Amino acid sequence: LAKTTQPISMDSYEGQEVNITCSHNNIATNDYITWYQQFPSQGPRFIIQGYKTKVTNEVASLFIPADRKSSTLSLPRVSLSDTAVYYCLVGVGDNFNKFYFGSGTKLNVKP
Amino acid sequence: DGGITQSPKYLFRKEGQNVTLSCEQNLNHDAMYWYRQDPGQGLRLIYYSQIVNDFQKGDIAEGYSVSREKKESFPLTVTSAQKNPTAFYLCASTGTLSYNEQFFGPGTRLTVL
Repeated sequence: LAKTTQPISMDSYEGQEVNITCSHNNIATNDYITWYQQFPSQGPRFIIQGYKTKVTNEVASLFIPADRKSSTLSLPRVSLSDTAVYYCLVGVGDNFNKFYFGSGTKLNVKP
Repeated sequence: DGGITQSPKYLFRKEGQNVTLSCEQNLNHDAMYWYRQDPGQGLRLIYYSQIVNDFQKGDIAEGYSVSREKKESFPLTVTSAQKNPTAFYLCASTGTLSYNEQFFGPGTRLTVL
């Protein structure tokens, strides 16, 4: 089961771009990388998912290098409402039932 | 609206009592999950179910039990054997089109008095 390593916390200011990097050295060939956002006392919310290179949606971008041992979630022009915990997950490809949520990265956006 | 509902939002129980947390989904998802979250920590998997009448233990199943009699429902019972049950409990589901995208309910905060 591929586990992940993320920074415990990050600070940013409104309007800045934030990049959160996740290490997943044991990622398997058919694993996808998924990021979730969680606000206090709420369930996590899916943000973005990717396998390799770059994925972009209306909320964020996900950059994955060729070796796939890390990934970077990029949040453009953050606002106060982006203050949350961000989790990086690596899905075990042939056993989709097992997801490992680490402690995540607590992003604090300041005015 | 499609989604996952959990009830109650807050639950209090006395030590030694069993309590059942409800989780219902109308997303037509096959797989459902229960997680536990302690303050400042990530989510830990308690049980999961791929199909009706089948479920598997997660990483911290001791002191918990589940059933999956209907596709829409996956209730979790916290038994008196669970030594430290005070936590935030989250239910989730995934569909067959995207197994990596889990949809979460709003959670139930359980406090043992």
